Amino acid sequence: EDQVTQSPEALRLQEGESSSLNCSYTVSGLRGLFWYRQDPGKGPEFLFTLYSAGEEKEKERLKATLTKKESFLHITAPKPEDSATYLCAVVNQAGTALIFGKGTTLSVSS
Amino acid sequence: NAGVTQTPKFQVLKTGQSMTLQCAQDMNHNSMYWYRQDPGMGLRLIYYSASEGTTDKGEVPNGYNVSRLNKREFSLRLESAAPSQTSVYFCASSSETGAGYTFGSGTRLTVV
Repeated sequence: EDQVTQSPEALRLQEGESSSLNCSYTVSGLRGLFWYRQDPGKGPEFLFTLYSAGEEKEKERLKATLTKKESFLHITAPKPEDSATYLCAVVNQAGTALIFGKGTTLSVSS
Repeated sequence: NAGVTQTPKFQVLKTGQSMTLQCAQDMNHNSMYWYRQDPGMGLRLIYYSASEGTTDKGEVPNGYNVSRLNKREFSLRLESAAPSQTSVYFCASSSETGAGYTFGSGTRLTVV
């Protein structure tokens, strides 16, 4: 069964304190791995797509990496405005729809 | 602004009532999806439409029906609402199945 597990469930950081979020997956033939950001009361907003092991993508303070079993979202010197829930999702070989993890809620305090 | 529009944003229903959640996209996307999001459960797929004229069940389809009215619109109907259907419902679209989604802002539904 295709599955996505995110850890930790919640993470509290001080402003400037770098850390990483983990997304481990079990999928029959990975076609793509997606990261989304969700703010309270809003729909998820697309961040990155990764397709193959070794691939990396960056956007401002965020960097996503992919291995054959997991992906990391690295947050460098976070600011309070980075506080949100970060969702990971995968598409399997059948490619019908995205399968989401439960998310990591990040809180950054100043 | 281009994107996915959902209506209504909030709704309270009594058990047994029916309602239709509306979704429209203006990005000329082929595929559309309905998810529900519950605390501790994440986003779960209810139904999807790979292209105009086709619909398929997702992980949690019981109690719901869908209609792909045309390429732009994909509606979700609750025929007889139950308290277990209290949730936040998101519509999404993509250029093709397996591509990245654009999400709507959600409908917060409470069934009492």
